[in-house]
Amino acid sequence: KQEVTQIPAALSVPEGENLVLNCSFTDSAIYNLQWFRQDPGKGLTSLLLIQSSQREQTSGRLNASLDKSSGRSTLYIAASQPGDSATYLCAVKGYSGAGSYQLTFGKGTKLSVIP
Amino acid sequence: DGGITQSPKYLFRKEGQNVTLSCEQNLNHDAMYWYRQDPGQGLRLIYYSQIVNDFQKGDIAEGYSVSREKKESFPLTVTSAQKNPTAFYLCASRPLGGNEQFFGPGTRLTVL
Repeated sequence: KQEVTQIPAALSVPEGENLVLNCSFTDSAIYNLQWFRQDPGKGLTSLLLIQSSQREQTSGRLNASLDKSSGRSTLYIAASQPGDSATYLCAVKGYSGAGSYQLTFGKGTKLSVIP
Repeated sequence: DGGITQSPKYLFRKEGQNVTLSCEQNLNHDAMYWYRQDPGQGLRLIYYSQIVNDFQKGDIAEGYSVSREKKESFPLTVTSAQKNPTAFYLCASRPLGGNEQFFGPGTRLTVL
C-alpha cells in the first residue's frame, strides 16, 4: 500500500528566505504527483502537477521536482513571503485496481513565513 | 462562475443522527470524490464516482453512504454507524481524462 511522508511537519522561516519542502513515497509506480496548498479551514488549491515521465515543473516562485526511482519530490519556494504561510500537501496518483486511480496524501508541512 | 460548492460550511449534529453533506459542481466534471481530513492527517478517500449512477468505496467507507443521481451532485450521508464522524469533509471533482482533482471549500462537521 502506498505511503506518503512529508518532512518536516512544520517549518518557520524569515521572509525572503528560500526553502525546500520534502515528500517521499514508498511505491514508485505512480501516475503523477501533485502539490497542494491549504489555508486554515479551507479547501485545497493545486500548485503544481508533475507527470511520472517529467522531472520538474515550475510556476512563478515555485519549483517542484520528481525523482520517481528514489520515491522523492521536493517543492522549492523562492524568496518566501508572509502570504506563503499555509499547509502544503503532497499527493501521488496510483493505480488502485478495477480501472481506477487514487490519490494518496501526505500529512502536510505547515509553513510559517515571519515578516 | 464555475466551481465546486459545499454546504453548509459548518454543521453540528447530535450523536446518533444521520446527516447529509452537499457537494455540487458546475464544471461538467465526470468524476467526483469525498475525502475526510482529521487534524494533522492527510486526506483519506471515503467514496468516489466516475459516472452517474455508479460509485465505489474508498479506504474508509464504513459508516458513510453516497448517491450520484445527477452529474453535478454527489451528496455524502454520515450515518450513526460512523464511530467518529467529527472531521473536515472535502469534495473534489475531475474532468473525464483529466489529471487534476479540483477541491471544494469543505464542510466542518461536529457531532456533539
